[in-house]
Amino acid sequence: DTGVSQNPRHKITKRGQNVTFRCDPISEHNRLYWYRQTLGQGPEFLTYFQNEAQLEKSRLLSDRFSAERPKGSFSTLEIQRTEQGDSAMYLCASSFVPREPQETQYFGPGTRLLVL
Amino acid sequence: EDKVVQSPLSLVVHEGDTVTLNCSYEVTNFRSLLWYKQEKKAPTFLFMLTSSGIEKKSGRLSSILDKKELFSILNITATQTGDSAVYLCAVEARREGQNFVFGPGTRLSVLP
Repeated sequence: DTGVSQNPRHKITKRGQNVTFRCDPISEHNRLYWYRQTLGQGPEFLTYFQNEAQLEKSRLLSDRFSAERPKGSFSTLEIQRTEQGDSAMYLCASSFVPREPQETQYFGPGTRLLVL
Repeated sequence: EDKVVQSPLSLVVHEGDTVTLNCSYEVTNFRSLLWYKQEKKAPTFLFMLTSSGIEKKSGRLSSILDKKELFSILNITATQTGDSAVYLCAVEARREGQNFVFGPGTRLSVLP
């Protein structure tokens, strides 16, 4: 499978616990995005990386959230002291820029988080 | 503030019907518009549109962009139950950072 992969696919945790998600992008892709999607909404941008550099973070990303892409390949998204409002689908997408004049993102299957 | 609006938010049709989904946008430095189909998992890419008036087709699906009026439509002809999904419209802006703004999606249900 040469697509974007995410692990775990599902995570149930208790409020106050920390969770970490992993995303493996398509191998030659240099950009990696994290989104959060709640029921009935489109994906909301959280942050993105160009290679290993984190270039932007949304104001949605509170200080309990941190993301890394240490070697410019896979990325992790950690949520500390989870809250019930963090329950959502966390989507990762990757793209290659500047191969295409316009950018197309390819999404992973997502990690569904439920905070009890 | 950049925004993408889709209509209708939900739609129920019967197999064989033709549907038109709408996406309008207000984005600074528009670059492209993308349509995705989302079933019970992550969105899958359908079309990317960059030029006005050029229709893109893939089987029973087609889409066109109007950059003057700032909207796009996605047509699905002879709908099938497998077309049931949420259809997302996203607009790419020509800038660094939050390049993509997604609409809320149109939930399409095709009944047999």
